[in-house]
Amino acid sequence: VQLVESGGGVGQPGGSLRLSCAASGFRFSSYGMHWVRQAPGKGLEWVAFILFDGSKEHYGDSVKGRFTVSRDNSKNTLFLQMNSLRPEDTSVYYCVVASAGRGAFDAWGRGTVVTVSS
Amino acid sequence: EIVLTQSPGTLSLSPGERATLSCRTSQSISSSYLAWYQQKPGQAPRLLIYGASSRATGVPDRFSGSGSGTDFSLTISRLEPEDFAVYYCQQYTTSRVTFGPGTKVDIK
Repeated sequence: VQLVESGGGVGQPGGSLRLSCAASGFRFSSYGMHWVRQAPGKGLEWVAFILFDGSKEHYGDSVKGRFTVSRDNSKNTLFLQMNSLRPEDTSVYYCVVASAGRGAFDAWGRGTVVTVSS
Repeated sequence: EIVLTQSPGTLSLSPGERATLSCRTSQSISSSYLAWYQQKPGQAPRLLIYGASSRATGVPDRFSGSGSGTDFSLTISRLEPEDFAVYYCQQYTTSRVTFGPGTKVDIK
């Protein structure tokens, strides 16, 4: 299983960024996918989940209404559209999957760094 | 939302010692949905334990998990130098997972 995030960088407050996660080594279209973030020096915060077929999404309270998770199963790619960015969104963003089907997060990407600053 | 608390915040121990980390959930959960992760600086978290007590692939048997209801624990029987890290518990009863704040195990 391999998950490779991209799209991080510096975004302005109120601006937008779009993260991508390229998945390989498992049947991407059969698994729900998550985004988890970690602010500098802080713990892990769950951000969003999307069902295997894209039919359902869930969001953490801190990003609800600003972030949108989506997927392209034909390209084995997960996305996170981040709008109305705030300084507190500054974090490493990880793409995660429970690839063994047990629910626990057994595969993580290396993460992509998002910095929100003017 | 199910809130997880971990104690202690920091555990200072020497190699070879036993480490016991605690995780408490704000409401009772099935032990099937409690996991532990290890994170080293600059790295992504690594799954250690799922279902409260099952070791993930490749995890040494010095790591063990136990507990039920609202009280869970992770034990490292004899600390190796590579075990000094931050440990997080997680509940995944639904897709809206939550993590504990972490316990840092550092070298005394």
